[in-house]
Amino acid sequence: KAGVTQTPRYLIKTRGQQVTLSCSPISGHRSVSWYQQTPGQGLQFLFEYFSETQRNKGNFPGRFSGRQFSNSRSEMNVSTLELGDSALYLCASSLANGREKETQYFGPGTRLLVL
Amino acid sequence: QKEVEQDPGPLSVPEGAIVSLNCTYSNSAFQYFMWYRQYSRKGPELLMYTYSSGNKEDGRFTAQVDKSSKYISLFIRDSQPSDSATYLCSGGYRDDKIIFGKGTRLHILP
Repeated sequence: KAGVTQTPRYLIKTRGQQVTLSCSPISGHRSVSWYQQTPGQGLQFLFEYFSETQRNKGNFPGRFSGRQFSNSRSEMNVSTLELGDSALYLCASSLANGREKETQYFGPGTRLLVL
Repeated sequence: QKEVEQDPGPLSVPEGAIVSLNCTYSNSAFQYFMWYRQYSRKGPELLMYTYSSGNKEDGRFTAQVDKSSKYISLFIRDSQPSDSATYLCSGGYRDDKIIFGKGTRLHILP
């Protein structure tokens, strides 16, 4: 079974631009969560989508948004990029059936550099 | 105060030693706890999860939770160079929101 895939793997943008990252979950997984990982703050929860609906949201500004499609694939968008948005963005999928939620499988991440 | 605190390390131990990794947490509302391992340039992978106080063992790994002192530990027996990675502890809420520690970098010296 294929794992979680994320595209692109690396991205360089400039301040003020916007970016869209993509995540394809493991087949059959309905929950997709997004995280930002930086050396200073560690791994921080952005939001979770389940059946095309945002189910949880972390403490990030509205510039960070996401969506999920009917095939469970998810995208996250960051508008008006700031230097501090440079990070590894990780996507994780899970079955989300009762107590299965804790079995999250992470993708390799998209490394975003904002210049 | 961060919800989950973890010493960033690095922690260097000789091959074959027992490794002890620790976290503290502040919120009693956490329903479950997990340890992830992250190799360089890879996403985290789940190692262990526990729901209650006590020990849970899986091969060379033992996870320990003490809810009375809000303390989480991961023990690695017979450590191998391949165990060199960053270890992340985390707590999960009832609504499945998960809070991670910043991770501890572990180096196993051959």
